[in-house]
Amino acid sequence: SQQGEEDPQALSIQEGENATMNCSYKTSINNLQWYRQNSGRGLVHLILIRSNEREKHSGRLRVTLDTSKKSSSLLITASRAADTASYFCATDLQGAQKLVFGQGTRLTINP
Amino acid sequence: KAGVTQTPRYLIKTRGQQVTLSCSPISGHRSVSWYQQTPGQGLQFLFEYFSETQRNKGNFPGRFSGRQFSNSRSEMNVSTLELGDSALYLCASSLWTANTGELFFGEGSRLTVL
Repeated sequence: SQQGEEDPQALSIQEGENATMNCSYKTSINNLQWYRQNSGRGLVHLILIRSNEREKHSGRLRVTLDTSKKSSSLLITASRAADTASYFCATDLQGAQKLVFGQGTRLTINP
Repeated sequence: KAGVTQTPRYLIKTRGQQVTLSCSPISGHRSVSWYQQTPGQGLQFLFEYFSETQRNKGNFPGRFSGRQFSNSRSEMNVSTLELGDSALYLCASSLWTANTGELFFGEGSRLTVL
């Protein structure tokens, strides 16, 4: 089964609103990353957060990591139509030496 | 700097045939990873090559194989194609090992098996 599980599976909001996506995982990690994928295209890296970090920002993106709850969240503020995409979390499991991707959250921004 | 290039972008094969996909990483990147993406299973890790050596392998049958050349370019091969192999195959390169930093993805090769 996938290590990272995103929630919700799909999210539809109005332009200008904030979008929050969550990722949960089962075992200890070294780092957690978020990626964006526009329909049928390659993935684009957004943010990497290490296990000893609690929060990171990049432009309109804010990522938090709670290792005690084994969860992370991605917040996109002031959403735009161009933010419409699928968002994936990817976990670097301790000892696994590979990135494991979740099933993704499909985000739709309505104009 | 040129991005990750995957060829071909689209291909159609029939059951029983084999296919070879190519990936040219970003210049200077030593790691190339391959993923299979399907609507039902999501992104599944196939394998990672680092400095011409297979560093890690996912849970796929032996019909799936790969290699990396001295210039870091990588190929993956699928033999005896099955209908379930229809998918978007994504290649990603990274400066160091794939799990330790940012992955740069290509646009993918979309394989349809009839």
